[in-house]
Amino acid sequence: GAVVSQHPSRVICKSGTSVKIECRSLDFQATTMFWYRQFPKQSLMLMATSNEGSKATYEQGVEKDKFLINHASLTLSTLTVTSAHPEDSSFYICSARDYSSYNEQFFGPGTRLTVL
Amino acid sequence: GIQVEQSPPDLILQEGANSTLRCNFSDSVNNLQWFHQNPWGQLINLFYIPSGTKQNGRLSATTVATERYSLLYISSSQTTDSGVYFCAVEGPGRRALTFGSGTRLQVQP
Repeated sequence: GAVVSQHPSRVICKSGTSVKIECRSLDFQATTMFWYRQFPKQSLMLMATSNEGSKATYEQGVEKDKFLINHASLTLSTLTVTSAHPEDSSFYICSARDYSSYNEQFFGPGTRLTVL
Repeated sequence: GIQVEQSPPDLILQEGANSTLRCNFSDSVNNLQWFHQNPWGQLINLFYIPSGTKQNGRLSATTVATERYSLLYISSSQTTDSGVYFCAVEGPGRRALTFGSGTRLQVQP
């Protein structure tokens, strides 16, 4: 199957700082990537859809000014958590859609963010 | 939006037992996938199965799209099968997946 990487895998930061998370499709091109958030013992919730070369589409209730998404190439999307606060601590997971594989989606290994 | 319900929420098995996990969804779907989330959080693709039946080793899955449900079968379970199993669907007009709440499986030796 297709491979999606994320970096970093874990980050601890102080309240008020910004954190950037990278999501890469390693062996396929992804015009569309997705960002999810998962709190402990809960399911994955979609935050936004990242579109190559255009603005991201955010789900209702997700602050677009706080969670900045950039999809500048067909293999890279970034999520920047601006002015992070303890309530932003969560597990962030990206996925990419491989159109050559019947639109199957593949997920990155996730980034665990802890804001102190 | 589309609703996805999984059952049971929790399941404890002895090694070697068989199990069936169910996923019900509230609308037609363009895509349905089953995942296993390992203890480190990685989602492992098990099946892409918007309809029909597929098998992969000890795992198999069936989706009956007209009746809006999918089943994941695990046979001869092993301790390494432990983790959370998610069903996720792509509903009408959506490209993203909507996840069910998951089934937490614990296989005891």
